[in-house]
Amino acid sequence: QVQMVQSGAEVKKPGASVNISCKASGYTFTMYYVNWVRQAPGQGFEWVGLINPSGGGTRLAQKFQGRITMTRDTSTATVYMELASLTSEDTAVYYCTRMFAGAPYDLWGQGSPVTVSS
Amino acid sequence: EIVLTQSPGTVSLSPGERVTLSCRASRTLPNNYLAWYQQKPGQAPRFLIYGAFNRPSGVPDRFTGSGSGTDFTLTIARLEPEDLGVYYCHQYGDSPQTFGQGTKVEI
Repeated sequence: QVQMVQSGAEVKKPGASVNISCKASGYTFTMYYVNWVRQAPGQGFEWVGLINPSGGGTRLAQKFQGRITMTRDTSTATVYMELASLTSEDTAVYYCTRMFAGAPYDLWGQGSPVTVSS
Repeated sequence: EIVLTQSPGTVSLSPGERVTLSCRASRTLPNNYLAWYQQKPGQAPRFLIYGAFNRPSGVPDRFTGSGSGTDFTLTIARLEPEDLGVYYCHQYGDSPQTFGQGTKVEI
């Protein structure tokens, strides 16, 4: 079955870091980029960045540069996103998505809620 | 970055009616790389349209995308009760990728 399964909900204090995983299955992991987008409560979507599972190269939204790390493990077909120095504005549902070059997101993970609260 | 502006914010219609949703870009989209998604409460979005007017397999033909350049439209020909949700446009041709703020369809 073609799917992306994400890790569960997280509750973090301001200043902490969160690490979210996204495990792909049912397709060739290295053929598709993995994007991360987030959706704050009641809001639209914000692109966070992407990783190329083939070579590990990343492209990040400027506002996150310096506090986000994206990595992948090809042996387990899993992508990881670590976001540091959390603030309440990082409270959102984080989604991983599959993207072929020149195409949009045709597959989404179920979402990982992250709550940042003191 | 390319800003996408969707209108209207909310639309309320009855089953069987036709609805047209708009997405306007702040500048021309490269290759008309514009997608539409449907999101129902508590769910991840569903992919409806890519390349402005292409429909993936499995998407009902009552969903039609059109437009080019800066003006794009999603039309739902005959609303079904399951079509309720929020519809988002997404441009994936320029970095950073951006999304519209969404149009809520109430039935």
